[in-house]
Amino acid sequence: DQQVKQNSPSLSVQEGRISILNCDYTNSMFDYFLWYKKYPAEGPTFLISISSIKDKNEDGRFTVFLNKSAKHLSLHIVPSQPGDSAVYFCAAMNSGGYQKVTFGTGTKLQVIP
Amino acid sequence: DSGVTQTPKHLITATGQRVTLRCSPRSGDLSVYWYQQSLDQGLQFLIQYYNGEERAKGNILERFSAQQFPDLHSELNLSSLELGDSALYFCASSRSETQYFGPGTRLLVL
Repeated sequence: DQQVKQNSPSLSVQEGRISILNCDYTNSMFDYFLWYKKYPAEGPTFLISISSIKDKNEDGRFTVFLNKSAKHLSLHIVPSQPGDSAVYFCAAMNSGGYQKVTFGTGTKLQVIP
Repeated sequence: DSGVTQTPKHLITATGQRVTLRCSPRSGDLSVYWYQQSLDQGLQFLIQYYNGEERAKGNILERFSAQQFPDLHSELNLSSLELGDSALYFCASSRSETQYFGPGTRLLVL
């Protein structure tokens, strides 16, 4: 049972344009969401997070939007840069529990110069 | 650099063997997590330790075990290895909601 889903395995975007990565979840107990970025042969790197009490969190070029009623979140990267090319994992957790994080399967983003 | 270290970086072994992967968490982090990433797969949660005690278990096989020591470093033991155990094994640590990942150990079982 895949509780966190990233339905787009890959995405190509032109440099300077907006990248939008999507994530859906099924577990209504999830109340904290994170995005990680992963380069080949490296560990995932924390990017940005959002609590369920918010619907938007912004950090520089990265913005995460949360739609609790739709159980959907998205990561916007504006403007996209070639260095953003990586695999992006969406993750979700119940912060009141043992902080076990459930990861999506990832979306491979390619930013074309 | 996340502050989480993992050794070894690469490991090549044969089926039926046993290996130990080591993880040192970030200074001050009490929680350690282990994940497996097989080829083209997402991150599969294996197990979590908090201050030496097991906290949560995921899809961890009975052939696999882990422990966290008093100095908070952790070891993941994989035994009776099979070809399908070839994967990247990541350790992460945290003191709050955000987990910080190590660079991983790439295990190849031949």
